[in-house]
Amino acid sequence: SQTIHQWPATLVQPVGSPLSLECTVEGTSNPNLYWYRQAAGRGLQLLFYSVGIGQISSEVPQNLSASRPQDRQFILSSKKLLLSDSGFYLCAWSTREGRGYEQYFGPGTRLTVT
Amino acid sequence: GESVGLHLPTLSVQEGDNSIINCAYSNSASDYFIWYKQESGKGPQFIIDIRSNMDKRQGQRVTVLLNKTVKHLSLQIAATQPGDSAVYFCRGGGADGLTFGKGTHLIIQP
Repeated sequence: SQTIHQWPATLVQPVGSPLSLECTVEGTSNPNLYWYRQAAGRGLQLLFYSVGIGQISSEVPQNLSASRPQDRQFILSSKKLLLSDSGFYLCAWSTREGRGYEQYFGPGTRLTVT
Repeated sequence: GESVGLHLPTLSVQEGDNSIINCAYSNSASDYFIWYKQESGKGPQFIIDIRSNMDKRQGQRVTVLLNKTVKHLSLQIAATQPGDSAVYFCRGGGADGLTFGKGTHLIIQP
């Protein structure tokens, strides 16, 4: 069966510090990968998605970046965090075959920028 | 897609009553429509989907209705239980449906 992992679960970082959130998927190959952000009491905002290694599409211009160094690894980074970067970050994957629209979400990372 | 920047609307229901959560969509090209449930502090989970050529689909205690004429989708939950308390999102399927709407927060009153 497929599983998706995210770490860390919670993170408190000062303004101006760097960020690295990691997401890995097991049990599937060649997945589509996504990063979403959810501010408190709000909906999900798509940040990045990837259809393959090294292929990243950015949906929202910001001080965040994403990388996909391996087929089942997706990393969200920032060189200098802003207060507005606080939120709940969710990684998701979907298969490209069959019902490729169905996304499976990880447990999320709660980021607080102080 | 819908705006994701607004605060979530809330639906409050009595335990045991039926819940109806509504969603309006703008992209008529979606082949599927999907409902997700997000419990507090967790990632969204798939509940049920419906193909665009269907009007109704039933699952376990849930029913999704699709009205393509008015671009409206609804999720009906029968005999609402405390475990149904969550935020519910709808979205279109396919690569152009990657953005989620603002969702609805379902609150269950004892």
